[in-house]
Amino acid sequence: DIQMTQSPTSLAASVGESVTITCLASEDIYGSLVWYQQKPGKSPQLLIYGATILEDGIPSRFSGSGSDTQYSLKINSLQPEDFASYYCQNGLSTPWTFGGGTKLELK
Amino acid sequence: QVQLKESGPGLMQPSETLSLTCTVSGFSLTSNGVGWVRQPLGKGLVWMGTIWAGGSTNYNSAVQSRLSISRDTSKSQVFLKMNSLQPEDTGTYYCARQVRYYDGYYHAYYFDYWGQGVMVTVSS
Repeated sequence: DIQMTQSPTSLAASVGESVTITCLASEDIYGSLVWYQQKPGKSPQLLIYGATILEDGIPSRFSGSGSDTQYSLKINSLQPEDFASYYCQNGLSTPWTFGGGTKLELK
Repeated sequence: QVQLKESGPGLMQPSETLSLTCTVSGFSLTSNGVGWVRQPLGKGLVWMGTIWAGGSTNYNSAVQSRLSISRDTSKSQVFLKMNSLQPEDTGTYYCARQVRYYDGYYHAYYFDYWGQGVMVTVSS
């Protein structure tokens, strides 16, 4: 199975700041990396797939990058609604494994 | 628009069999896959299994021996059945549409629409 390791597990930031969350795959996933946002009590929402492709309707302050085993999610100019948990997912092969999550909190 | 909604019992006893239904609208089960993802309280996401547009299934090996996913395309419903429930099966169960992105070289499978989730507690 492909293991997905996210860092950090939690992160405190202020509105207007930029943050980066990283995801490390245990093997090359050839850009098949997916990012989700989950707010408390809500279901996950798709942000980015194919490592860099922004889902329709997602603000452009979200961006994804990376290749091989290392991937990043960057959020520019944090807005109040961005404080949530973020998960990466291996989209290459089954089992579709998720990272452990990063909780982004308001400083 | 695309919607998915889970339904099923909220409280189960250990060793019982869980039956959940995912009712979808806005797309056809013969065109897209539907997966089930579990989230223990306060923890991360775990994929459990997927039924694909053609009717084939994939399961997470961690639960494969206990899990069955099926569907009724005429009713736009996907079913999850998991036997021998244990307290560690407690969590929120989501169904989600699973799609494939392919650019001619690389692909990615991902969940683009999710249901609201159903909380299942396994306790005696």
